[in-house]
Amino acid sequence: NAGVTQTPKFQVLKTGQSMTLQCAQDMNHNSMYWYRQDPGMGLRLIYYSASEGTTDKGEVPNGYNVSRLNKREFSLRLESAAPSQTSVYFCASSETGSTEAFFGQGTRLTVV
Amino acid sequence: KQEVTQIPAALSVPEGENLVLNCSFTDSAIYNLQWFRQDPGKGLTSLLLIQSSQREQTSGRLNASLDKSSGRSTLYIAASQPGDSATYLCATSGTYKYIFGTGTRLKVLA
Repeated sequence: NAGVTQTPKFQVLKTGQSMTLQCAQDMNHNSMYWYRQDPGMGLRLIYYSASEGTTDKGEVPNGYNVSRLNKREFSLRLESAAPSQTSVYFCASSETGSTEAFFGQGTRLTVV
Repeated sequence: KQEVTQIPAALSVPEGENLVLNCSFTDSAIYNLQWFRQDPGKGLTSLLLIQSSQREQTSGRLNASLDKSSGRSTLYIAASQPGDSATYLCATSGTYKYIFGTGTRLKVLA
């Protein structure tokens, strides 16, 4: 049982480049999330999707877009990467908005 | 706005010691509280989930308690082992909002 799978695991981008982080879960969960983790700041919510077809902003949405492609997949897009977006990105899922959350292994993104 | 604090930020203990990690939160209107473990360079692994109606949960050598009225949770680790070395994070759950503390980095010395 794979749980939550993120691709890629590592990425280096130049300032201004775009990319999409992929996330898929196989637990038939309704809710999915994107977080970023920075030293000393903990995990901060970027966007979430309460259910298929819906997305909402979290605490730090600027510079990002998301797509809930279907119930399994939730992608995060950086349209024009900036050095401030250097971070570790985690995708998570839960059955509902208040049940146990499961996390992927993370994507380590460096923007130079 | 919910704020979650974990103290201490780092902790070193000798192997075999029992220890307590602390988590405090400002808003008691939570659905549940979850404890995670994060190894260096890895993702988050769920350890224990305490529903808001519960007071504690146990899994092996781990015991987590929840006191909503005082805004506190503790994670008790019995008979610590070097393999327990990791960062431990707590998170409160509101509607679609998991708010994390910054973690306690634990090192268990052999």
